[in-house]
Amino acid sequence: DTAVSQTPKYLVTQMGNDKSIKCEQNLGHDTMYWYKQDSKKFLKIMFSYNNKELIINETVPNRFSPKSPDKAHLNLHINSLELGDSAVYFCASSQETSGLEQYFGPGTRLTVT
Amino acid sequence: GQSLEQPSEVTAVEGAIVQINCTYQTSGFYGLSWYQQHDGGAPTFLSYNGLDGLEETGRFSSFLSRSDSYGYLLLQELQMKDSASYFCAVNTNAGKSTFGDGTTLTVKP
Repeated sequence: DTAVSQTPKYLVTQMGNDKSIKCEQNLGHDTMYWYKQDSKKFLKIMFSYNNKELIINETVPNRFSPKSPDKAHLNLHINSLELGDSAVYFCASSQETSGLEQYFGPGTRLTVT
Repeated sequence: GQSLEQPSEVTAVEGAIVQINCTYQTSGFYGLSWYQQHDGGAPTFLSYNGLDGLEETGRFSSFLSRSDSYGYLLLQELQMKDSASYFCAVNTNAGKSTFGDGTTLTVKP
């Protein structure tokens, strides 16, 4: 019954590794997002996809590559992890591209050591 | 680009009313949304305004004045469980959402 789910919930890894975070929504929404929330709780949009098409790419290093195999899934792959990538990553979805009403997943806490 | 300003902290007592203001600057404004986030949790959607005026949802209301680039979230009959961070977010017609830095609300008995 979970509306927006993410896996894993916690991810601890070393610098230089490559990791992926998966996101699925069962709300039938057309638009999905990735956000990064740092230790000061600032919430920044990274990407948004509408029906598998990238519509927002917010000056994110190209080590971050989103992939949307279908409109219910938006995965995030991160190459060559750096200490500064440590944060909580939230996936979200909304019915429309306007993003006025977004539903967030539980978050993935990434720790890079 | 987009920018938003909201107070960093607000404190109130149980049963009181509190207003969290948000001013914004953006091009292509589409609407203003509000989210609540408890420590360790995910942001949860509270309300949005696309047009000027007041939207009421139970104890929470949100207001927008597009001409003043200003909105607020009003929380009535405060409860301890309302202690959380509250974010305003401006949405553009290009589909971009920019969140404010958040307001930490502390409700005291």
